[in-house]
Amino acid sequence: GIQVEQSPPDLILQEGANSTLRCNFSDSVNNLQWFHQNPWGQLINLFYIPSGTKQNGRLSATTVATERYSLLYISSSQTTDSGVYFCAVRFSGGYNKLIFGAGTRLAVHP
Amino acid sequence: GAVVSQHPSWVICKSGTSVKIECRSLDFQATTMFWYRQFPKQSLMLMATSNEGSKATYEQGVEKDKFLINHASLTLSTLTVTSAHPEDSSFYICSARVAGGPERETQYFGPGTRLLVL
Repeated sequence: GIQVEQSPPDLILQEGANSTLRCNFSDSVNNLQWFHQNPWGQLINLFYIPSGTKQNGRLSATTVATERYSLLYISSSQTTDSGVYFCAVRFSGGYNKLIFGAGTRLAVHP
Repeated sequence: GAVVSQHPSWVICKSGTSVKIECRSLDFQATTMFWYRQFPKQSLMLMATSNEGSKATYEQGVEKDKFLINHASLTLSTLTVTSAHPEDSSFYICSARVAGGPERETQYFGPGTRLLVL
């Protein structure tokens, strides 16, 4: 069936470190978004990236649609980067909903 | 960017009462809105999709008579949890999809409503 898998499930970093989060999806997609859920529960849009590469400050993302994966890069991590990072996709073929991965829980320590 | 608001942010109620949650797109029109539920330490699960002026489409396993959804305008959708019970306690999050524009498939999320049923 259709699946969205994220890795790693948990990540602990020292402030200043870099990290890469991965999202694998099982079929072709027409929408892929990365979100950061902060400790208060708010989902913050990071990227809309069904294909290609985008950068926003210390964050960047790459989606290789033909190989069915997306990567989120966090550079020079800060304690405020802590929280859960979700990848969500909308599969092609008539689906009308975003399906979320299980998330990567990131803790950045000073 | 597009802003989605939810009200209330916190609800504590007694078992058997009904609770209404409002979701508004503040600076854009949303033909489609979505309601999600999130339990602690888990991911978001879609409950239903609502289109303005038509009946909501519920995901498998979600009781339509218990979770009433109304999408009366392009900027407002409401979720009513009827006869709430403790097992309905959860974090409810709404989302709206931008209609038109270069990233028309982008979904924006509200801040969520924490429901505690005693």
